[in-house]
Amino acid sequence: AQSVTQLDSHVSVSEGTPVLLRCNYSSSYSPSLFWYVQHPNKGLQLLLKYTSAATLVKGINGFEAEFKKSETSFHLTKPSAHMSDAAEYFCVVSLDSWGKLQFGAGTQVVVTP
Amino acid sequence: NAGVTQTPKFQVLKTGQSMTLQCAQDMNHNSMYWYRQDPGMGLRLIYYSASEGTTDKGEVPNGYNVSRLNKREFSLRLESAAPSQTSVYFCATRDSLEEQYFGPGTRLTVT
Repeated sequence: AQSVTQLDSHVSVSEGTPVLLRCNYSSSYSPSLFWYVQHPNKGLQLLLKYTSAATLVKGINGFEAEFKKSETSFHLTKPSAHMSDAAEYFCVVSLDSWGKLQFGAGTQVVVTP
Repeated sequence: NAGVTQTPKFQVLKTGQSMTLQCAQDMNHNSMYWYRQDPGMGLRLIYYSASEGTTDKGEVPNGYNVSRLNKREFSLRLESAAPSQTSVYFCATRDSLEEQYFGPGTRLTVT
């Protein structure tokens, strides 16, 4: 069975410093993995996705994630945080070909000036 | 293009009342989904519809029913609301590249 664990429920960073959000997954095969972002009182927006092409995936707004099969990880990074990055971030694994998704519990990111 | 729209945005119900949450999309996607979001739990799938005329249960279907009225519309019905159904509800569609597009959500409170 597939599952996903986000290792930090809250992350606080200073503006201009790097952001690292950690995600581990469990899967019996090589899954599709996603990062979604949710700004306050908004719906979710796709940041990036991994679907077995390149292991380093670039997304929108300067975010990227690296798929590491040996570590079963899919961590999200950004070199320099902006105030607009304050949001909740979800690591997500695809469960099947019907589009059913398993969401992590989320990481709340706070950016301080 | 509006993308995915949901009505209403907010709703307060008393225990035992019924209501239907509406979702519509103009993206011509076949697959549509209903999720609920509770604090600290991410999103959980309630029901999904792979195409017009088909629906199937997700992780937490109890207390809900759905209707895929046509390709554009997918509604979620609570027949007898309970306080445990207080949540934020999101509708989503999926494109051929596996990306899901989410509506703005409906915030439901059951007292």
